[in-house]
Amino acid sequence: DAKTTQPPSMDCAEGRAANLPCNHSTISGNEYVYWYRQIHSQGPQYIIHGLKNNETNEMASLIITEDRKSSTLILPHATLRDTAVYYCIVRDQTGANNLFFGTGTRLTVIP
Amino acid sequence: GAVVSQHPSRVICKSGTSVKIECRSLDFQATTMFWYRQFPKKSLMLMATSNEGSKATYEQGVEKDKFLINHASLTLSTLTVTSAHPEDSSFYICSASGASGRASGTDTQYFGPGTRLTVL
Repeated sequence: DAKTTQPPSMDCAEGRAANLPCNHSTISGNEYVYWYRQIHSQGPQYIIHGLKNNETNEMASLIITEDRKSSTLILPHATLRDTAVYYCIVRDQTGANNLFFGTGTRLTVIP
Repeated sequence: GAVVSQHPSRVICKSGTSVKIECRSLDFQATTMFWYRQFPKKSLMLMATSNEGSKATYEQGVEKDKFLINHASLTLSTLTVTSAHPEDSSFYICSASGASGRASGTDTQYFGPGTRLTVL
C-alpha cells in the first residue's frame, strides 16, 4: 500500500473548520483513502473514505485532488471533543485488508 | 451500526500468567478480525489477521505460540497472551470487517475500544 505524509500536529480554534492535509503521491488507481482518528486511550474511530470523488458524511468531508496525490479531511465546526490523532491511510481494496497506521496528525482544538 | 466491543477494558496480571482478551462484533458478522498492539506514544502495529474458521496469519516478529488467536465464530475472536511478561504490557486493540456483507477485501475496519494490559 502507498505511504502517506501528514503534518505531525495542528491547532484549530473551537467552532472553526479544521482542515487536515495528507500527501499520498504514490497512490495507485485501486487504492482508497481512509481517515481514522484516535482519541487518547481509545480504539481508532472510522471517519470517512473515498476513491476519486469528494465524500461527505455526518462527521466530515473528504476532498481528494484530481490527480489523487493528496487529500484533505475537513471537520466543518471543530469542537473540543475532536481533539485526537488523525490518521490518513491508503488501502488497496483488492488485496490485503490490513491497515498501516503512520504517525498521523495530532489535532488540538483550542477553546 | 458496526460496533465492536472488547473485554476486559483493563487487566493487571502477574508475570507468567495467561490473559485472554475477547473481541466481539455486536451488530454485524465479521469475516475478518485483526489484532493490533500500541505502545505509549507510538502508532498501532498489526499483530495478526484472522478469518473465521481458519488459522490466523501473524506479522513478522510476532510469536504465534505466545499470542494465541482464535476466531471460532463470525462475531467473536479471542487473543490469549500466554506466559505474560512485563514487556507484553501494552494497549491491545482489535478490529473487524465484514459489515457490508461483501468480500472482506472491500470492507471498512471498525475498531474496538482497546484493552490495556499491565503485567507486573
